[in-house]
Amino acid sequence: QSLLTQPPSASGTPGQRVTISCSGSSSNIESNYVYWYQQLPGTAPKLLISRNNQRPSGVPDRFSGSKSGTAASLAISGLRSEDEADYYCVAWDDSLSVLFGGGTKLTVL
Amino acid sequence: QVQLQESGPGLVKPSQTLSLTCTVSGGSVNRGGYYWSWIRQPAGKGLEWIGRIYSSGTTKYNPSFNSRVTISLDTSNNQFSLKLSSVTAADTAVYYCTRDLTVDGWFDPWGQGTLVTVSS
Repeated sequence: QSLLTQPPSASGTPGQRVTISCSGSSSNIESNYVYWYQQLPGTAPKLLISRNNQRPSGVPDRFSGSKSGTAASLAISGLRSEDEADYYCVAWDDSLSVLFGGGTKLTVL
Repeated sequence: QVQLQESGPGLVKPSQTLSLTCTVSGGSVNRGGYYWSWIRQPAGKGLEWIGRIYSSGTTKYNPSFNSRVTISLDTSNNQFSLKLSSVTAADTAVYYCTRDLTVDGWFDPWGQGTLVTVSS
């Protein structure tokens, strides 16, 4: 059982705005950066958001990250069919390990 | 542009040692400031960080694996390696190598991953 809790699934229609939550604790999310990764079917994960809310070069501005206290969220606006993927939050935990959330499968209806 | 490629046996017997190598191109594994990590993903499941090695050879492991895992650096071949001992079926997974830009979860880029099955 992951110490970073994500909803197992999320969905939306094209053009909609969808948010994916990531719940942690004072030993991980509250005191450390949060990262988000996108994993398209059959491929390796790709960095989507770094340091809570920074988009690496090449990531569309439809993707945004935020953090408040022990929770973080990923928002995707203007949803597109190619956004259908698994999304993972990641944070360092003070138990001396990198933690991954359980992942959220996003379906574009 | 840094690229990573995993290699190693796709089948390992239970109780034996899993050994994988990650070959890095477009950058040097002994360049200061970067770490190199291994991450795995069982089929249909989430991701799990195994451990990392710094360019100096210093390592840090996930406590869940601590006694079974060894990550090492081969600077002459610009590679880093993973050894996981006493494997069981629960270690069956796709194993990814990745560059670790910080110590807190910034992994970029990733290798394509390699499937390792533990079975007799």
